[in-house]
Amino acid sequence: GNSVTQMEGPVTLSEEAFLTINCTYTATGYPSLFWYVQYPGEGLQLLLKATKADDKGSNKGFEATYRKETTSFHLEKGSVQVSDSAVYFCALSDRSGNTGKLIFGQGTTLQVKP
Amino acid sequence: KAGVTQTPRYLIKTRGQQVTLSCSPISGHRSVSWYQQTPGQGLQFLFEYFSETQRNKGNFPGRFSGRQFSNSRSEMNVSTLELGDSALYLCASSLAVSKTYNEQFFGPGTRLTVL
Repeated sequence: GNSVTQMEGPVTLSEEAFLTINCTYTATGYPSLFWYVQYPGEGLQLLLKATKADDKGSNKGFEATYRKETTSFHLEKGSVQVSDSAVYFCALSDRSGNTGKLIFGQGTTLQVKP
Repeated sequence: KAGVTQTPRYLIKTRGQQVTLSCSPISGHRSVSWYQQTPGQGLQFLFEYFSETQRNKGNFPGRFSGRQFSNSRSEMNVSTLELGDSALYLCASSLAVSKTYNEQFFGPGTRLTVL
């Protein structure tokens, strides 16, 4: 079945450091891919998305490119801030049907120190 | 535009009891999905409702059920609570008008603790 694998955390960085969180997926067909962020005590917020191969999603300085050949969707940011400290989830949805089911990775906790 | 709202935000129950959680989607959204989030299992899909019909279901026992009303509001019910049901329950809504992509908007969740 479909699945998502994320790099294990926690990831601890200093402010202004470069961030990469790896995400790979297994899916039949052509899923849509997402990164969600969860701040302490809150629900999930969509950070960025890509719906087809080679699409690049971007938002708030974060970027991720849909790589079908490597089945990956790695999250990157050039310069992290303390306010980026949160849990990041990679997810996919099955495009073959009009379904609300998302499959999530385990989440990666990011802590940014001043 | 108001976001997805969930009530109550926190709930404490004892084993064997049942519980009902409520979710009000964003106005105009027709699909509501429920997820369970735990430290051990992460985020797991429970079910999805669209136009008052269950359209998709995850791998949870029959103790977990849900429904959707004509105004798209949804409830989920857990009967005979077990300690392992302690979790954050998240609801998400989407427009559900595209066959290829529907962005989901999440509520803040209901934190259920079973003692």
